[in-house]
Amino acid sequence: SQQGEEDPQALSIQEGENATMNCSYKTSINNLQWYRQNSGRGLVHLILIRSNEREKHSGRLRVTLDTSKKSSSLLITASRAADTASYFCATDPNAGGTSYGKLTFGQGTILTVHP
Amino acid sequence: EAQVTQNPRYLITVTGKKLTVTCSQNMNHEYMSWYRQDPGLGLRQIYYSMNVEVTDKGDVPEGYKVSRKEKRNFPLILESPSPNQTSLYFCASSFFAGREAFFGQGTRLTVV
Repeated sequence: SQQGEEDPQALSIQEGENATMNCSYKTSINNLQWYRQNSGRGLVHLILIRSNEREKHSGRLRVTLDTSKKSSSLLITASRAADTASYFCATDPNAGGTSYGKLTFGQGTILTVHP
Repeated sequence: EAQVTQNPRYLITVTGKKLTVTCSQNMNHEYMSWYRQDPGLGLRQIYYSMNVEVTDKGDVPEGYKVSRKEKRNFPLILESPSPNQTSLYFCASSFFAGREAFFGQGTRLTVV
């Protein structure tokens, strides 16, 4: 079953603009992660935010987590053409504080950054 | 170099011919997992392993088998492949379940 759902499905912006992607999920989580995938290649981990954290930064990335709304957002600031990729959120469902082992991915947002 | 290695990268096979996709990691990770990626469906988990000799079903295990006899290897076995198993497959590993996952480069499988 799909735990995370990203929104929008596709996003097209100009270089230098900010890109915001959202993720909603259904069950309690230990953490939420964001991954990036360049066309047909393996996913690369970007950032992990724990359920007791509300915001996290990594370079040009900013992730927020609202556990009351079961949602997260990924903001990429000052985007570059090289940021063109698919972005996925993944949730680690909570089993009394330990992991079920079922890291579950959404369907992804396709980001296109035009030079 | 820390990595997850899948082989083969590309495979075309015929219905019913048993095949194995290998996955190996050199990071001493406890947790390994297999996913398939299909257009419009995202990544779906097939099987996962919390440790050696411990495996469990993911969301779409039908038609697949796995084994975890050694910590570094987690092969995916298709005993009798069918066309609906045509997909892009990814192996991933992490220190523990729920932590940052490292992905292999993928295996594109076509079953005709």
